[in-house]
Amino acid sequence: KAGVTQTPRYLIKTRGQQVTLSCSPISGHRSVSWYQQTPGQGLQFLFEYFSETQRNKGNFPGRFSGRQFSNSRSEMNVSTLELGDSALYLCASSLEQGLYEQYFGPGTRLTVT
Amino acid sequence: KQEVTQIPAALSVPEGENLVLNCSFTDSAIYNLQWFRQDPGKGLTSLLLIQSSQREQTSGRLNASLDKSSGRSTLYIAASQPGDSATYLCAVRDVSNSGYALNFGKGTSLLVTP
Repeated sequence: KAGVTQTPRYLIKTRGQQVTLSCSPISGHRSVSWYQQTPGQGLQFLFEYFSETQRNKGNFPGRFSGRQFSNSRSEMNVSTLELGDSALYLCASSLEQGLYEQYFGPGTRLTVT
Repeated sequence: KQEVTQIPAALSVPEGENLVLNCSFTDSAIYNLQWFRQDPGKGLTSLLLIQSSQREQTSGRLNASLDKSSGRSTLYIAASQPGDSATYLCAVRDVSNSGYALNFGKGTSLLVTP
């Protein structure tokens, strides 16, 4: 069974631009969560989607948004990029919402210049 | 607010040694705890998941224990190998304002030298 896939793997954007990242969960998994990883803050929860609905949201500004499609694939969008948004963005999928084991993708490395 | 701490931040050991990585958390009302491995520039690989009702889980050379009442978990790696070199992260799941999101520690960077 294929793992979680994320595209693109690397991105370089300019401050003020917007970006869309994509995540395809493991087949059969219906919950997708997004995390941001930076050297200073470590891994921080962004949001979780289940059945095309955002179920939970972390403490991030409204510039960070996402959505989930009927096939469970998910996208996250960051508008008006700031230098501090440079990070590794990780997507994780699990069978259902809640307490199930999460499986992570390889991440998208975003660099904002 | 749940805080997860991992000690030490970095560890270097010679090949063949048994080692213990520590994870502590401030709120013992957790549902489960998961240990991950992260290779440089890569995503996270799940190693072990321990439910709150369990005391330990084993997978190959890895053994993770959980003492919920004292807010501690340890990851024991037997007979370490250079291929074990990576950052090890622990994460707890509890009910918070962010639902069932994982709360991560900052990790322990492990280097196993030949």
